[in-house]
Amino acid sequence: DGGITQSPKYLFRKEGQNVTLSCEQNLNHDAMYWYRQDPGQGLRLIYYSQIVNDFQKGDIAEGYSVSREKKESFPLTVTSAQKNPTAFYLCASTPTTGVYEQYFGPGTRLTVT
Amino acid sequence: EDQVTQSPEALRLQEGESSSLNCSYTVSGLRGLFWYRQDPGKGPEFLFTLYSAGEEKEKERLKATLTKKESFLHITAPKPEDSATYLCAVQARAQKLVFGQGTRLTINP
Repeated sequence: DGGITQSPKYLFRKEGQNVTLSCEQNLNHDAMYWYRQDPGQGLRLIYYSQIVNDFQKGDIAEGYSVSREKKESFPLTVTSAQKNPTAFYLCASTPTTGVYEQYFGPGTRLTVT
Repeated sequence: EDQVTQSPEALRLQEGESSSLNCSYTVSGLRGLFWYRQDPGKGPEFLFTLYSAGEEKEKERLKATLTKKESFLHITAPKPEDSATYLCAVQARAQKLVFGQGTRLTINP
């Protein structure tokens, strides 16, 4: 079955530690996205990538970093510079650029204490 | 700046009681408006894409409509399994989506 996988489902870290969230897709999609969701709020875009080896900042990129070395993979690193990292993180993809619905993964809930 | 506002924030209905959710938007050059359903602790699930004012789409008990300023998600004779958060998002000139905060819908049996 084609889809997007995110791992792990739950992640716990101590304050001051960097942590990397995994996102893999086997849909052969060119574009991938990372969102953050806080309780009672909509999704906010962190980073997106339209093609391998290229990515752009979204609306809330500070304290995060990404890489896109392979078409299938778009890992997100939450650095110690992110002031409020505890949130639900969602990865999505679209076939290419244009007006397409985004397919979402199951999400990773990150808790930093 | 592109903005999306959904209302109400939460809605509680009895099974079979029809209603509508609202998504108001301000955007320069709308290319598409999307509706998603999200269950607790899961990723959003795509429902509909609307491209231009006057367009309507239906799926089971759901019907989405679009005007130049807002979209409605009409729910007819809902069942408890329709309980979820419904998200609206718009896409303008850039590749990215702008999401509303969602409407949390609860259908009581």
